[in-house]
Amino acid sequence: QPVLTQPPSSSASPGESARLTCTLPSDINVGSYNIYWYQQKPGSPPRYLLYYYSDSDKGQGSGVPSRFSGSKDASANTGILLISGLQSEDEADYYCMIWPSNASGVFGGGTKLTVL
Amino acid sequence: QVQLVESGGGVVQPGGSLRLSCAASGFTFSSYGMHWVRQAPGKGLEWVAFIRYDGSNKYYADSVKGRFTISRDNSKNTLYLQMNSLRAEDTAVYYCAKGGWSIAAAGYFDDAFDIWGQGTMVTVSS
Repeated sequence: QPVLTQPPSSSASPGESARLTCTLPSDINVGSYNIYWYQQKPGSPPRYLLYYYSDSDKGQGSGVPSRFSGSKDASANTGILLISGLQSEDEADYYCMIWPSNASGVFGGGTKLTVL
Repeated sequence: QVQLVESGGGVVQPGGSLRLSCAASGFTFSSYGMHWVRQAPGKGLEWVAFIRYDGSNKYYADSVKGRFTISRDNSKNTLYLQMNSLRAEDTAVYYCAKGGWSIAAAGYFDDAFDIWGQGTMVTVSS
């Protein structure tokens, strides 16, 4: 099973932007996959935020604010979740996910975002 | 509104069995693929299984293949997960999740978990 690497923690101040990364193993090309992002607050189930493949192929979850956006850094083989205009309510765990070709979904280990 | 409600969790001994249910409402259940995703205490998310909208295709994580069976009853708007030969490492909150588009083709699968239930806790312990 491929391993998606996410930093265990990240922090930023209200009003700033947070850039959360999800690095794919070298044998899986980030350019070939939809990268999915989920948000989970303590004691709650995860919430679907968005998927990103390219600027022309992306989708936002229902009710998810536009200040949540996705992108990729091909040079780093990394998917990125950008949260702009951080709010205290954005403090949560964030998980990335892909579907490798063997139809077995893989999540990253998650990043705990603290809004200072 | 769209809702998924899991039930059937509990405490079971290693080697035992349990069947989880997920009651769906607020959408046309028979038109969507469905998933089970679990989360061990204090840990991250792990995808467990998928079933196509009509039950014709099923996929499993390697960690549960041969022990867990996903099924559905579209007449009852209910998803199931039969769990046999349970191990301590199966201890987790089990979530059912609605598939967003469930695209499956030769060697390719893609989906979003766009609606989640609240989860049901399964504890495997002697």
